[in-house]
Amino acid sequence: DQQVKQNSPSLSVQEGRISILNCDYTNSMFDYFLWYKKYPAEGPTFLISISSIKDKNEDGRFTVFLNKSAKHLSLHIVPSQPGDSAVYFCAASTMGSQGNLIFGKGTKLSVKP
Amino acid sequence: ETGVTQSPTHLIKTRGQQVTLRCSSQSGHNTVSWYQQALGQGPQFIFQYYREEENGRGNFPPRFSGLQFPNYSSELNVNALELDDSALYLCASSLGGVRTDTQYFGPGTRLTVL
Repeated sequence: DQQVKQNSPSLSVQEGRISILNCDYTNSMFDYFLWYKKYPAEGPTFLISISSIKDKNEDGRFTVFLNKSAKHLSLHIVPSQPGDSAVYFCAASTMGSQGNLIFGKGTKLSVKP
Repeated sequence: ETGVTQSPTHLIKTRGQQVTLRCSSQSGHNTVSWYQQALGQGPQFIFQYYREEENGRGNFPPRFSGLQFPNYSSELNVNALELDDSALYLCASSLGGVRTDTQYFGPGTRLTVL
């Protein structure tokens, strides 16, 4: 059973607009969440993270929001750029783990010029 | 500072064979984690090594084994290959010691089992 779910396999957005990528989780023991970006033929690249003691974390154009009661997090990219086109993975880890990450299936973002 | 590298890039094996995949971590990174990414799926945790000792394991059978060496290199070995082992294998290195250390991924090895 998937503990981290990204229900949208793909998302298409116009350049300059906001991209919102969503992620749901089922394990209430998750307390650390991350977003990774992956280009073809490259490994995933860390983008941004958030601890469960926060509900928002910003880094430049990227903001991650965490709603613990809904077990939902989202990544906002504003403004979206064509270079943001990639597969975005949501990942989570639990306090009792050694940091091994549980990933969602990913959402392919296409930003059109 | 060099990134995480993996070799080979691609590999084709037949069912029942054994395979060794290699990873070179960033210098100073004491932790290496291995993930399997099947087509259309997210990476799935195989195991983690910290200072040459296995430090955690996912839901993979014992025919998946690993080694970590003092020179920041590591190996993933898979025995008795099955068709379902066809996937992208990713290694990720991190400083280690803190659960929330950022994991830096290599480009992966694409394994095809025929």
